[in-house]
Amino acid sequence: DTEVTQTPKHLVMGMTNKKSLKCEQHMGHRAMYWYKQKAKKPPELMFVYSYEKLSINESVPSRFSPECPNSSLLNLHLHALQPEDSALYLCASSGLVSSTDTQYFGPGTRLTVL
Amino acid sequence: KQEVTQIPAALSVPEGENLVLNCSFTDSAIYNLQWFRQDPGKGLTSLLLIQSSQREQTSGRLNASLDKSSGRSTLYIAASQPGDSATYLCAVRQPGNTPLVFGKGTRLSVIA
Repeated sequence: DTEVTQTPKHLVMGMTNKKSLKCEQHMGHRAMYWYKQKAKKPPELMFVYSYEKLSINESVPSRFSPECPNSSLLNLHLHALQPEDSALYLCASSGLVSSTDTQYFGPGTRLTVL
Repeated sequence: KQEVTQIPAALSVPEGENLVLNCSFTDSAIYNLQWFRQDPGKGLTSLLLIQSSQREQTSGRLNASLDKSSGRSTLYIAASQPGDSATYLCAVRQPGNTPLVFGKGTRLSVIA
């Protein structure tokens, strides 16, 4: 099973809402990633977790809060977002951060902030 | 700082044509290079992964080559089909605890 799942597929939220994005993989991967992708742009890395610990935070605003409750799950908690945060949010996983393994991506969550 | 460039940015070809997508990178110290496909509004699908010690990888109608010393990779698609229409991204992985560095992609349209 080489699948990364993400829920929800679509999310519309107001600027005062609190919501969460969820990502799951059962490939035994120990590295998990959050990316943000705007239309017609490549994915931009937000966070990297290695062995359930945050190893990279690419200077992401605190209104985005990642969480890795166990080796299979990765959450992204959203609070007080801005309309410019509307984007496709992609989760990915790989064997290890510094490995030569393929990164597997989920289908993404399309987020719209009103 | 590693930079990845993909040329052309967009490409339109008739069905059945063979085509080449190009990817170049500025720092040759890479672990591997990966080609992805992305359909509009969807996630990324890994097509081919070439390790730094390899010269090419093949999967079906796809062939990816890597010339690390010159900082180049090509993705060759044989006998293109309308279903190949998508954005193709290349990304490099560098040593250490570093993330993938993506190019901006090539938008491919195969016309029936």
